[in-house]
Amino acid sequence: GESVGLHLPTLSVQEGDNSIINCAYSNSASDYFIWYKQESGKGPQFIIDIRSNMDKRQGQRVTVLLNKTVKHLSLQIAATQPGDSAVYFCAENEGAGRRALTFGSGTRLQVQP
Amino acid sequence: DTGVSQNPRHKITKRGQNVTFRCDPISEHNRLYWYRQTLGQGPEFLTYFQNEAQLEKSRLLSDRFSAERPKGSFSTLEIQRTEQGDSAMYLCASTEDGGREKLFFGSGTQLSVL
Repeated sequence: GESVGLHLPTLSVQEGDNSIINCAYSNSASDYFIWYKQESGKGPQFIIDIRSNMDKRQGQRVTVLLNKTVKHLSLQIAATQPGDSAVYFCAENEGAGRRALTFGSGTRLQVQP
Repeated sequence: DTGVSQNPRHKITKRGQNVTFRCDPISEHNRLYWYRQTLGQGPEFLTYFQNEAQLEKSRLLSDRFSAERPKGSFSTLEIQRTEQGDSAMYLCASTEDGGREKLFFGSGTQLSVL
């Protein structure tokens, strides 16, 4: 079936720099997207979400961009901090009445001091 | 703590044994989900409940797996005749009804089948 995937398995950035984590999705029917952060030994933690009728949404230090033309999603983290080190997952709701999220395989963000 | 609670945090069992995990969702959430996660992978959907009704099951949920939510509050996930391939983190999540898909996850139960 169609699934969500990520371009880079590991991203290493310097503290204070901006980070960009990318995600490609293939189901054009998906109408809701969400980013989660997962630290070791913990469950995924919500970061930010976006519906398909938007192309940008901002939170505290985070921005999600949605490009439906090329089916691409990105998470931007401003002024990356050591506490941002974790695995980041994008997930989609594939619409058609489905209530479950489909997750990609994750990108590990490593913040160098 | 008013988040999603899962017990136990870790479970080690021998192949062929049965195991049961418990999930207590956020109290006002009437939708509850079970996911499975293996190392380096994203969570994979197993099943979900709206109140006590189990509304969707993944093909990953073989006949050795059963989930219940008898009173629409806590849920249990049982795996019978465990296999080494069942070793994974089992995650529970909950959310409110009304079309919101933002799931709140617990910390999971890590299952190791020897």
